[in-house]
Amino acid sequence: GNSVTQMEGPVTLSEEAFLTINCTYTATGYPSLFWYVQYPGEGLQLLLKATKADDKGSNKGFEATYRKETTSFHLEKGSVQVSDSAVYFCALSDGAGSYQLTFGKGTKLSVIP
Amino acid sequence: EAGVAQSPRYKIIEKRQSVAFWCNPISGHATLYWYQQILGQGPKLLIQFQNNGVVDDSQLPKDRFSAERLKGVDSTLKIQPAKLEDSAVYLCASSSFSGGAYNEQFFGPGTRLTVL
Repeated sequence: GNSVTQMEGPVTLSEEAFLTINCTYTATGYPSLFWYVQYPGEGLQLLLKATKADDKGSNKGFEATYRKETTSFHLEKGSVQVSDSAVYFCALSDGAGSYQLTFGKGTKLSVIP
Repeated sequence: EAGVAQSPRYKIIEKRQSVAFWCNPISGHATLYWYQQILGQGPKLLIQFQNNGVVDDSQLPKDRFSAERLKGVDSTLKIQPAKLEDSAVYLCASSSFSGGAYNEQFFGPGTRLTVL
């Protein structure tokens, strides 16, 4: 079955530091890949997505590239801000048309001034 | 545009009691999802509706969980009787359906259930 593995948290960074959150996946077929973010007290929001190999998703300074050869979709940001503190979830949909999402366990990011 | 609404936001019950959660999706969204998010884990799909029909309920523990979407708009998820391991956040999401494909899911704020 489908599965997503992402790096354990929590991750604590100083403001303006570089962020990487690793995500690898197992799936049959050609999944679409997503990063969702959950800010404190709020619902899950789609941060970025990529639907095919070598696509790069980007939003709000965050980027992730769909790497089929390494089955990875690592999230990066060059300079984090305090407002980026949240829980980040990597997810995939199986591409079979149902768009059902399989999530990783989430990585909590805390950015300190 | 109003987002996905859920109520209540918090619920505390004793084990073996029953509980119900309500979700109102974004207007016009034909597809509705219920997820269970246990502390420290990612959301897990419980059931997916397309209008008022069930697309997938393979991960719904049907001996105690039930869900309905009678008029193809809002939905109710019920647990009866609740167990300690049902303590979790229950998320509702909705998406539109066009061109034979499902689109981005939008999530509600969730209902945090604590079973004592």
